[in-house]
Amino acid sequence: EVQLVESGGGLVKPGGSLRLSCAASGFTFASYDMNWVRQAPGKGLEWVSSISSRGSHIFYADSVEGRFTISRDDAKNSLFLQIIGLRTEDTGLYYCARMSSRSVGGTYPYFFDFWGQGTLVTVSS
Amino acid sequence: IQMTQSPSSLSASVGDRVIITCRASQSISNYLNWYQQKPGKAPKLLIYAASSLQSGVPSRFSGSGSGTDFTLTISSLQPDDYATYYCHQSYTTLFTFGPGTTVDVK
Repeated sequence: EVQLVESGGGLVKPGGSLRLSCAASGFTFASYDMNWVRQAPGKGLEWVSSISSRGSHIFYADSVEGRFTISRDDAKNSLFLQIIGLRTEDTGLYYCARMSSRSVGGTYPYFFDFWGQGTLVTVSS
Repeated sequence: IQMTQSPSSLSASVGDRVIITCRASQSISNYLNWYQQKPGKAPKLLIYAASSLQSGVPSRFSGSGSGTDFTLTISSLQPDDYATYYCHQSYTTLFTFGPGTTVDVK
């Protein structure tokens, strides 16, 4: 059974730092691209960052570029998100999500097929 | 790429046919996915590649569209379907979600 378990969230003052973790099990972690998606309280989903299998390709949303760093440790089946310079608008539930793709009609679209339950980050003075 | 959804919310009864639309600001081929989210829960993949039903998802859910305009249809709304639905484009490496459509009890 695929499982993704996030941890590392908490209450942090503006300007502070956090390191979020996502422990994966039930699948060959090293073979999959992984993502972080966040959700502010009462708001919609916002994609944050992605990292390819083997970590060779990394992408960030404009809103977090330069402050967030995604990484992975395939030996430990773990995904990470290092956050510095936290802002109040970074408050929310942070999900890790596995990304898969499948050939459909000549295209190879990506989708998030498994999600963790999220870890809550609260930025407040 | 900006994603919009309509309506932002709708009220429906069990048995109703529900249609949610999603529009992309530029063509995204079939790189469009739909997720369902219930309060306090993680999103769940329903449809990928615009019209492919994810394994284990009831057949009352269907998706259609290509290019810029897409729809999610629930053929006969069930009590378990009251939730918020999000579209998601994966055409570009900077993924984006729609703002969501909440389906509640009429």
